[in-house]
Amino acid sequence: DADVTQTPRNRITKTGKRIMLECSQTKGHDRMYWYRQDPGLGLRLIYYSFDVKDINKGEISDGYSVSRQAQAKFSLSLESAIPNQTALYFCATSDPGRGGTDTQYFGPGTRLTVL
Amino acid sequence: QKEVEQNSGPLSVPEGAIASLNCTYSDRVSQSFFWYRQYSGKSPELIMSIYSNGDKEDGRFTAQLNKASQYVSLLIRDSQPSDSATYLCAVAYGNNRLAFGKGNQVVVIP
Repeated sequence: DADVTQTPRNRITKTGKRIMLECSQTKGHDRMYWYRQDPGLGLRLIYYSFDVKDINKGEISDGYSVSRQAQAKFSLSLESAIPNQTALYFCATSDPGRGGTDTQYFGPGTRLTVL
Repeated sequence: QKEVEQNSGPLSVPEGAIASLNCTYSDRVSQSFFWYRQYSGKSPELIMSIYSNGDKEDGRFTAQLNKASQYVSLLIRDSQPSDSATYLCAVAYGNNRLAFGKGNQVVVIP
């Protein structure tokens, strides 16, 4: 079984709809992240959470919200989807490293299309 | 915004040759650096991490770090068709966040 799972894997929705992307992990990591990836722009951080009570905005949080329901679950919501939110979304987890920065492990991704 | 630059276009290398990828970064205080490989439509997977100046070797991969010049590179020796992918450079900055470059596509020609 995969350590980091994302649902759905693919989603097509319409402008203005609310949508939730879910991430679950069995790695036992405290830290979780949401990224989006666009062609030519690389991976950009949307939100991150270091424990259930800790939520932080990343570089592109506008238009998104998150919920950390448990150590193992971190959900990303688009309250009112717009076409420029069409992208590949990745969840990642990490564990505090020994002396260095955590290594991040990525889920399989969700391809979201907003029409 | 932390800048991580991977400026080279797609790199085509013959099978068995060395592929060389470069990355520069803007944050002088960064201490941790990573190379991820990403196959088309798949998620990034870590192939190398490096924290100290110099070379770090792992199998056919060698990462090189020069903090004074603010660059990190990746060498792939004896390139194989399975190495054809996009390689992402990532640099750590405050609060355990990573800034990613846009990636370099490598195509290994049999």
